[in-house]
Amino acid sequence: GAGVSQSPSNKVTEKGKDVELRCDPISGHTALYWYRQRLGQGLEFLIYFQGNSAPDKSGLPSDRFSAERTGESVSTLTIQRTQQEDSAVYLCASSVSGTSGETQYFGPGTRLLVL
Amino acid sequence: GNSVTQMEGPVTLSEEAFLTINCTYTATGYPSLFWYVQYPGEGLQLLLKATKADDKGSNKGFEATYRKETTSFHLEKGSVQVSDSAVYFCALSVGDYKLSFGAGTTVTVRA
Repeated sequence: GAGVSQSPSNKVTEKGKDVELRCDPISGHTALYWYRQRLGQGLEFLIYFQGNSAPDKSGLPSDRFSAERTGESVSTLTIQRTQQEDSAVYLCASSVSGTSGETQYFGPGTRLLVL
Repeated sequence: GNSVTQMEGPVTLSEEAFLTINCTYTATGYPSLFWYVQYPGEGLQLLLKATKADDKGSNKGFEATYRKETTSFHLEKGSVQVSDSAVYFCALSVGDYKLSFGAGTTVTVRA
């Protein structure tokens, strides 16, 4: 079956521009996560969606970052007024129900470069 | 807080060599432990996991044992192949869905 897909795979933008990243989770997975991976570092948790519950936004680094999810399908991560420190790989993952210990399935990521 | 410390790389070794990647953790509860792997040009994927003390996760010849007494989850493989060249990440979750990752260890296996 299809895995998690993300688009675009690469994005180059100028400082100050807004960018929108998209994630399509595995069909039937109610939980969706966004992570950020800076060069040479591990992944940082950004935000979590579970069904129709309020999302956990505790990992978002600033109010320039926001994310939405429509039901149990597509999610978009938006970064407004991008800064050079936003350059990273943004990874989306999904899992069946979001419980502790559950396997998260990752997409290939969007590599963002802010010039 | 929760954190993971893993062996710094890069690690370079020959085919059929023994591989160990150390991983230790700190957690404010009882974590589940994971090893994820990222092969060149591919996305991150789960390699193995263990959800309680003394459990051993295994997959593709890799093993890791959840050691609560030493707060460790070291990854081992007895005989590596070129196809094992990848970046390996140790991770944990405690009581919820958030994964905390180590910085990753790059492994290169030479023929």
